[in-house]
Amino acid sequence: AQSVTQLDSHVSVSEGTPVLLRCNYSSSYSPSLFWYVQHPNKGLQLLLKYTSAATLVKGINGFEAEFKKSETSFHLTKPSAHMSDAAEYFCVVSGQRRALTFGSGTRLQVQP
Amino acid sequence: DTGVSQDPRHKITKRGQNVTFRCDPISEHNRLYWYRQTLGQGPEFLTYFQNEAQLEKSRLLSDRFSAERPKGSFSTLEIQRTEQGDSAMYLCASSPTIGTETYEQYFGPGTRLTVT
Repeated sequence: AQSVTQLDSHVSVSEGTPVLLRCNYSSSYSPSLFWYVQHPNKGLQLLLKYTSAATLVKGINGFEAEFKKSETSFHLTKPSAHMSDAAEYFCVVSGQRRALTFGSGTRLQVQP
Repeated sequence: DTGVSQDPRHKITKRGQNVTFRCDPISEHNRLYWYRQTLGQGPEFLTYFQNEAQLEKSRLLSDRFSAERPKGSFSTLEIQRTEQGDSAMYLCASSPTIGTETYEQYFGPGTRLTVT
């Protein structure tokens, strides 16, 4: 069995400040972990993925995430938020059967 | 455009009617997935295909739901006797499988179903 918990349903930051979106996972297998972003009225877009290579994963648009097995966490960070980053972010785990299990999402708001 | 496409983008239907959605995956991808997303929630897995074989169905997929991928290319998802609780965004995704490795899934724009 696998599950994902996104610890914050809403995060609000000011433009130019760091972003931290928190995610804890549970998996019976060595998981593959992903972050997807969903902009309003647009499809889900892959930001980055972890598949048991480097624990620090770099993605698109300046985002990165660190896999910490001891903490079962996969937090998403960005050094400096941009207005265009405002969206819904999903932490996702893929287990043995390869279907994705999504977290409930974190809505990121970026204030000017 | 070579991404995943879905048709229609929006569907409004009356309770009790049948609806069918279509998904065209990225052409070289042999895995195809269906998910359902309700307002304020993350997508939930419904079913997936490897080529034309339906390999797994979620408990969410009641007997009113049926999915096919007859030639291993496009897929259809049919809902019979729709209920108001079926109102949701239905998402399709595809991914390649090379050997035993499965890669990330690419999502279509979704079909938003409203049952009145």
